[in-house]
Amino acid sequence: NAGVTQTPKFQVLKTGQSMTLQCAQDMNHEYMSWYRQDPGMGLRLIHYSVGAGITDQGEVPNGYNVSRSTTEDFPLRLLSAAPSQTSVYFCASSYSRQLNTEAFFGQGTRLTVV
Amino acid sequence: AQSVTQPDIHITVSEGASLELRCNYSYGATPYLFWYVQSPGQGLQLLLKYFSGDTLVQGIKGFEAEFKRSQSSFNLRKPSVHWSDAAEYFCAVAVSGGYQKVTFGTGTKLQVIP
Repeated sequence: NAGVTQTPKFQVLKTGQSMTLQCAQDMNHEYMSWYRQDPGMGLRLIHYSVGAGITDQGEVPNGYNVSRSTTEDFPLRLLSAAPSQTSVYFCASSYSRQLNTEAFFGQGTRLTVV
Repeated sequence: AQSVTQPDIHITVSEGASLELRCNYSYGATPYLFWYVQSPGQGLQLLLKYFSGDTLVQGIKGFEAEFKRSQSSFNLRKPSVHWSDAAEYFCAVAVSGGYQKVTFGTGTKLQVIP
């Protein structure tokens, strides 16, 4: 099992550019989410999805879009990159949103916006 | 809203020594509590969790944690640290309602010296 796969692992963007961070899981998980990790701030939830076609905002959604057209994929789009979006991004999935199911994390995407 | 505090940003221990990482939470009722480990360049991996019942929880890799309601704490312990335990450790807390409600602490970076 590949688990949760994120691509790319590293990316440098110029301010104003757009890009999509990819996340795919092969565990048939219903629940998927995106976090950003910043020094001294832990992980903060950007967006999440409880199933194909259903998404919702987390704690820090501004500047990001998501869609969930299939169970497997949950891409995160940066519409117009800003230096404040320099961060490490993690995708996670779990069988359901229920806390008694284990969450699995991808290896992260380190994004730098210059 | 719940919050979680990890008072130690960085801890250094000698290999073979015991370890205790502190975690305090702020929430009126008994929350769901988690400890995750993040090895360099990797995503987060669940070490252990507490939902109810026995307040001493055993996890993977020889870790354990004890829930103390009176102190609002969920400290992580290991009797003898190995060099491979060098990583960043995150405590997380959630109320009922699912993973979208999980709040992560800011992390404690563990350095292990020979």
